[in-house]
Amino acid sequence: GAVVSQHPSRVICKSGTSVKIECRSLDFQATTMFWYRQFPKQSLMLMATSNEGSKATYEQGVEKDKFLINHASLTLSTLTVTSAHPEDSSFYICSAPLGDYTEAFFGQGTRLTVV
Amino acid sequence: KNEVEQSPQNLTAQEGEFITINCSYSVGISALHWLQQHPGGGIVSLFMLSSGKKKHGRLIATINIQEKHSSLHITASHPRDSAVYICAAVNNDMRFGAGTRLTVKP
Repeated sequence: GAVVSQHPSRVICKSGTSVKIECRSLDFQATTMFWYRQFPKQSLMLMATSNEGSKATYEQGVEKDKFLINHASLTLSTLTVTSAHPEDSSFYICSAPLGDYTEAFFGQGTRLTVV
Repeated sequence: KNEVEQSPQNLTAQEGEFITINCSYSVGISALHWLQQHPGGGIVSLFMLSSGKKKHGRLIATINIQEKHSSLHITASHPRDSAVYICAAVNNDMRFGAGTRLTVKP
């Protein structure tokens, strides 16, 4: 079946640095990818919708200048957390739907710890 | 009120019991997605359904579009079923319920 690969699975970074998370669709083209954040014991929260070849759509309250999304190809979307702070520590996960939304596939997730 | 409500929040069962997790939504959907999230965070897609019922092994998902309600059933539950089960309303994006943490004891 279709697979979405997310990398890295874990990252620890210092405050003030930037971290890039990659999400790749391995055997299908994903014109849309979703980025979610999950804090401990909470549900997934949609951060932004990444659209290939155009600007991402951010959910209310998500800073687009802090969470940079690039969807330069049909198989790759990246989320860059800029000037990371400890409160950005969270589990970030991407998903990509099949074109007609009959199915959606999730990356393995990235656990970010900012120290 | 959340767009997607799940119940119960937590559920503990003995091995072999029949499990039901409920999901109600208030938004228009093209489909309802049931997901399983393991302790490490990894998410597995269980079902995506827009009507009726789907079955896969010991898992059954049903949806009532008129009532905006879906249920996930697990028959003959097993400790390995212990996970967080999440429903999501799908309509160009996904809106998630808070999840149901299931613990199945041997």
